[in-house]
Amino acid sequence: GQQLNQSPQSMFIQEGEDVSMNCTSSSIFNTWLWYKQEPGEGPVLLIALYKAGELTSNGRLTAQFGITRKDSFLNISASIPSDVGIYFCAPERGFGNEKLTFGTGTRLTIIP
Amino acid sequence: DVKVTQSSRYLVKRTGEKVFLECVQDMDHENMFWYRQDPGLGLRLIYFSYDVKMKEKGDIPEGYSVSREKKERFSLILESASTNQTSMYLCASSPPVSGPYNEQFFGPGTRLTVL
Repeated sequence: GQQLNQSPQSMFIQEGEDVSMNCTSSSIFNTWLWYKQEPGEGPVLLIALYKAGELTSNGRLTAQFGITRKDSFLNISASIPSDVGIYFCAPERGFGNEKLTFGTGTRLTIIP
Repeated sequence: DVKVTQSSRYLVKRTGEKVFLECVQDMDHENMFWYRQDPGLGLRLIYFSYDVKMKEKGDIPEGYSVSREKKERFSLILESASTNQTSMYLCASSPPVSGPYNEQFFGPGTRLTVL
């Protein structure tokens, strides 16, 4: 079966610092999704990437779909307290209805 | 505004009890999913359903069953709860795939403790 590795598992950073996390897989995917789970809530889709090599920005978030289609990166610039949460990657093959495999998550804690 | 609701935010049960976790979505979505979330393990799929009365096993179905009698409702059943089923349970729904990706919408989760 496929292996999906997300790192780091947790991050403790100062407010204002930049954040970087990534997911790598042993399999090729056609889409990479990134979800964020805020404390006490379910995950919510943050950003979707569906072209290899694509770099997509959404405000302070920047995500990249690796050229090999086996990895993806998520960066957050100038972190603020509301960035706290758990970030999950979730790649898809795009073959119609399919079950998602989520990464193990990166827990982000911001020190004021 | 899309909404997935779960019947309880917190639940405490005893070993051996039968436990029902209910999930309702108001978006007319065909697909519904049950996950459990444990620290360091991410979200693991228990069961999913693509239509009423249909169900398919996910990655960790042992000890669980599901029921989908109506499109909007997907129930997770623990026939005989055990302490290793203490976890956060998340329900999600999604529409049929119509684009390059398929967004899932999650409920707030039920934190189940089995004593």
